[in-house]
Amino acid sequence: AQSVAQPEDQVNVAEGNPLTVKCTYSVSGNPYLFWYVQYPNRGLQFLLKYITGDNLVKGSYGFEAEFNKSQTSFHLKKPSALVSDSALYFCAVRGDYTGGFKTIFGAGTRLFVKA
Amino acid sequence: DTAVSQTPKYLVTQMGNDKSIKCEQNLGHDTMYWYKQDSKKFLKIMFSYNNKELIINETVPNRFSPKSPDKAHLNLHINSLELGDSAVYFCASSQTADYGYTFGSGTRLTVV
Repeated sequence: AQSVAQPEDQVNVAEGNPLTVKCTYSVSGNPYLFWYVQYPNRGLQFLLKYITGDNLVKGSYGFEAEFNKSQTSFHLKKPSALVSDSALYFCAVRGDYTGGFKTIFGAGTRLFVKA
Repeated sequence: DTAVSQTPKYLVTQMGNDKSIKCEQNLGHDTMYWYKQDSKKFLKIMFSYNNKELIINETVPNRFSPKSPDKAHLNLHINSLELGDSAVYFCASSQTADYGYTFGSGTRLTVV
């Protein structure tokens, strides 16, 4: 069975400081990993994905994520946080499904960036 | 031009009623999804269609029935609404599993 865990309900960081939002996963076979962001009263927006290749992937709004196979992690990072980055962040993993596929989302991590 | 549009945005209805939520995507994607987000923001997949064919049907009550008249549309009909159905329902689409999803803005369903 596939699963994804976001161990922190909330992350607080000061503007200008680096941020990390953690994600670990469990999936059979090669993982397809994604990060999404949700602003209040909005749908989720795709940030970045890892399918194969370079372990460091870059995405929208200056975010990047590092795939670590040995630690089964896919942490989201940004070198310098902005107040406007404050939102709910979801990690997701695609697993296999008989006759198709499905993407499982983590429980979400709320990021607060303080000015 | 909205990529994935859902209607209505808000839906308030009484227990026992039947209601539908519509979703349309103009991205030319082959696969569409329905997700339910509860009050704790937890997202759970409900259904997925690939080119009008049902490929994912999670454990949801039979009162929920998806319909896909063509690959650009995926509607969700809910019979005999219950209080526990109150949530935000998101429609999404993707070209393939390798690509990220494009989500609609959600339909907030409140059952009173």
